[in-house]
Amino acid sequence: GDSVTQMEGPVTLSEEAFLTINCTYTATGYPSLFWYVQYPGEGLQLLLKATKADDKGSNKGFEATYRKETTSFHLEKGSVQVSDSAVYFCALNTGANSKLTFGKGITLSVRP
Amino acid sequence: EPEVTQTPSHQVTQMGQEVILRCVPISNHLYFYWYRQILGQKVEFLVSFYNNEISEKSEIFDDQFSVERPDGSNFTLKIRSTKLEDSAMYFCASSDRTGGNSPLHFGNGTRLTVT
Repeated sequence: GDSVTQMEGPVTLSEEAFLTINCTYTATGYPSLFWYVQYPGEGLQLLLKATKADDKGSNKGFEATYRKETTSFHLEKGSVQVSDSAVYFCALNTGANSKLTFGKGITLSVRP
Repeated sequence: EPEVTQTPSHQVTQMGQEVILRCVPISNHLYFYWYRQILGQKVEFLVSFYNNEISEKSEIFDDQFSVERPDGSNFTLKIRSTKLEDSAMYFCASSDRTGGNSPLHFGNGTRLTVT
């Protein structure tokens, strides 16, 4: 079945540091890939998405590129801010339904 | 921006009791979902609902679970007889269409604690 694997956390960075959060997947069919973010006390929000190979999703300075050859969708940001502190979830769906398969999530803490 | 609202934010119940978790999806959305996250584990799909019936459910969604859209605005998840392992954060979501490109809009979740 479909699955998403995220790197183990938590991750703690200083403000303005470079961020990479790894995500790999296995899927039957041709999935769409997503990153969701959960800020403290809030629900899951879509951060960015990519629907086909080599697409790059981007939002709020975050980027992720759909790499079919490595089945990966790593999240990057060049310079993190304290306000980026949140839990980040990688997810996929295979299109027949909007049902999402999530990774475990990783907590990012950014210190001033 | 319209949002999905869930109530209550935290529910504590005793094992064996029935609980109903409530959600108000975004008003023009047609597809509704429940997910849950046990502490420290993955967010797991429970059920999807469209046109007043379940369109898909996971293995977790057994006979103890049911969903309902009683009045055209609320979308509820009922657990008939709660177990300790039902303790989790439950997320409701809605979408205006289905398919790989359709974003899900999530509520803030209800934390269910079964004692």
